[in-house]
Amino acid sequence: EAGVAQSPRYKIIEKRQSVAFWCNPISGHATLYWYQQILGQGPKLLIQFQNNGVVDDSQLPKDRFSAERLKGVDSTLKIQPAKLEDSAVYLCASSLGGDLKETQYFGPGTRLLVL
Amino acid sequence: GQQLNQSPQSMFIQEGEDVSMNCTSSSIFNTWLWYKQDPGEGPVLLIALYKAGELTSNGRLTAQFGITRKDSFLNISASIPSDVGIYFCAGSYAGKSTFGDGTTLTVKP
Repeated sequence: EAGVAQSPRYKIIEKRQSVAFWCNPISGHATLYWYQQILGQGPKLLIQFQNNGVVDDSQLPKDRFSAERLKGVDSTLKIQPAKLEDSAVYLCASSLGGDLKETQYFGPGTRLLVL
Repeated sequence: GQQLNQSPQSMFIQEGEDVSMNCTSSSIFNTWLWYKQDPGEGPVLLIALYKAGELTSNGRLTAQFGITRKDSFLNISASIPSDVGIYFCAGSYAGKSTFGDGTTLTVKP
């Protein structure tokens, strides 16, 4: 079974530029998560989707970050405009359903460096 | 928001030694999870705990859900070089997960 796919794996941009990340979850997984992992810290949830609906986006900086999952499958996360402090690894994860006991499977992440 | 204190921050051990790390919080959780993250990869779930007092093993790994629901520990017995990585605890409550900042484990052959 294929895992969670993310692209690109690496991205370097200048501050105030825009950037987008793509995630394709495991086939059949209804729940999709985007996390931000700053160097030396644990992942922090940005947004959680159940199919194509948003379940939790309380920690998403909505003035600059946006995410969508239009067809309930793959998802994009966008930052516009980027700031220096956005440098981090952006992890996508998926699970079968929204139940707390569902295992989350993480992708390899996209490493973003903002100069 | 809820915060987890994970300790130690890093550990340097000899192959064959046992390892213990823990997470504490001022808030209660319904679920405790332990993950391992290798360089350049996403975290992988090692053990999930769903009940206060629960003790669960996965091979050489053993984890416990603290009776107060505010803490958890992970033990690794007879460490081997491939145990190297960052170990994260995560607590879940009311559908929200909070991660600790990780314990970096180095194993010397």
